[in-house]
Amino acid sequence: GAVVSQHPSWVICKSGTSVKIECRSLDFQATTMFWYRQFPKQSLMLMATSNEGSKATYEQGVEKDKFLINHASLTLSTLTVTSAHPEDSSFYICSAGGAGSYEQYFGPGTRLTVT
Amino acid sequence: AQKVTQAQTEISVVEKEDVTLDCVYETRDTTYYLFWYKQPPSGELVFLIRRNSFDEQNEISGRYSWNFQKSTSSFNFTITASQVVDSAVYFCALGSNAGKSTFGDGTTLTVKP
Repeated sequence: GAVVSQHPSWVICKSGTSVKIECRSLDFQATTMFWYRQFPKQSLMLMATSNEGSKATYEQGVEKDKFLINHASLTLSTLTVTSAHPEDSSFYICSAGGAGSYEQYFGPGTRLTVT
Repeated sequence: AQKVTQAQTEISVVEKEDVTLDCVYETRDTTYYLFWYKQPPSGELVFLIRRNSFDEQNEISGRYSWNFQKSTSSFNFTITASQVVDSAVYFCALGSNAGKSTFGDGTTLTVKP
């Protein structure tokens, strides 16, 4: 299957700082990428849909000014958590899919801890 | 709206027992995909199977088997002769034609030696 990478795999930051997480599709062009968040012992919840070259679509309840998404190329989407707070500590997982495809290929996830 | 229900929060079995993980879904789409993923403690999702809504054929892969029943909107997963390495959280997910997935709450499976 296709390969999706995330960087960093884990990050610890201080409250009030911003953190950028990268999601790359390594062997295919991903017109759409998705960002999910998973709190401990909970399910994955979709945060936003990132479309190459256009604005991201955010799910209800997700603050677009806090979670900035950029999908500038067909192989890279970034999620920036701005002014992070301890409640933003979570496991962030991206997935990538091709145009018109039902397929989703998940990245390995990034564990964010805000102190 | 899409919804996936995994009624079993936790299951504990002894090694070599068979175990079935239940998944019930709701969707108004006529075309959709169903997935099962395994999430070990490392957190990375491991893809197990994808099934489209037009293919109700059951599938077997080694010790794993899946039973897709469109009439009851269920997509159950059975592990035969469970092993300790099967211990993980298992997620059932429903995919739409937009590519995004709706996940169930997951079932934590513990296989004891």
